[in-house]
Amino acid sequence: AQSVTQLDSQVPVFEEAPVELRCNYSSSVSVYLFWYVQYPNQGLQLLLKYLSGSTLVKGINGFEAEFNKSQTSFHLRKPSVHISDTAEYFCAVMGDYAGGTSYGKLTFGQGTILTVHP
Amino acid sequence: DAGITQSPRHKVTETGTPVTLRCHQTENHRYMYWYRQDPGHGLRLIHYSYGVKDTDKGEVSDGYSVSRSKTEDFLLTLESATSSQTSVYFCAIRAGTGTGELFFGEGSRLTVL
Repeated sequence: AQSVTQLDSQVPVFEEAPVELRCNYSSSVSVYLFWYVQYPNQGLQLLLKYLSGSTLVKGINGFEAEFNKSQTSFHLRKPSVHISDTAEYFCAVMGDYAGGTSYGKLTFGQGTILTVHP
Repeated sequence: DAGITQSPRHKVTETGTPVTLRCHQTENHRYMYWYRQDPGHGLRLIHYSYGVKDTDKGEVSDGYSVSRSKTEDFLLTLESATSSQTSVYFCAIRAGTGTGELFFGEGSRLTVL
């Protein structure tokens, strides 16, 4: 079984400030990790993903995330946010073992609403 | 654009009526998924398919059934809709192999009165 916990349901910040959205996961196997963004009344768009290799992953729109296996975390960061970053962000995990029950199934966290104020 | 079309995009129905949501893809991907999105719960997997006529349950499958008679279409059916099934439903496809990345449709908003 696998699960994802996003530690903050809402994060308000001012424009040009740095932001970190926290994500912890639980899994009995090695995992792939993802961050998706959802703008109001739209579908989900992939921000970035960790599959293997370097633990620091860069994505679109200046976002990056760091995979920490010992702490089972995958926090999302941006050094300077813009008004247009206001959206809901979802962390997700998938088992990477083709024979495992979690393979091919993406499990999402509860979501973090990021609100950027002018 | 991952070539995913969901229909209908909006539907209002009454308790006890059957409802079918359709997901259509244009790129011949093997894996297709149905999720529901509810505030405070993120997205939860209802059912998924790994090929024609090959489907399996997700974490919230009770009250839902699916069918996949051809590669491009994945249907989600609520046999007898209840108010607890009011939600936004997203279809997704898994692109390629090994990367695990899912692409999502625009969603179908269902209201059960």
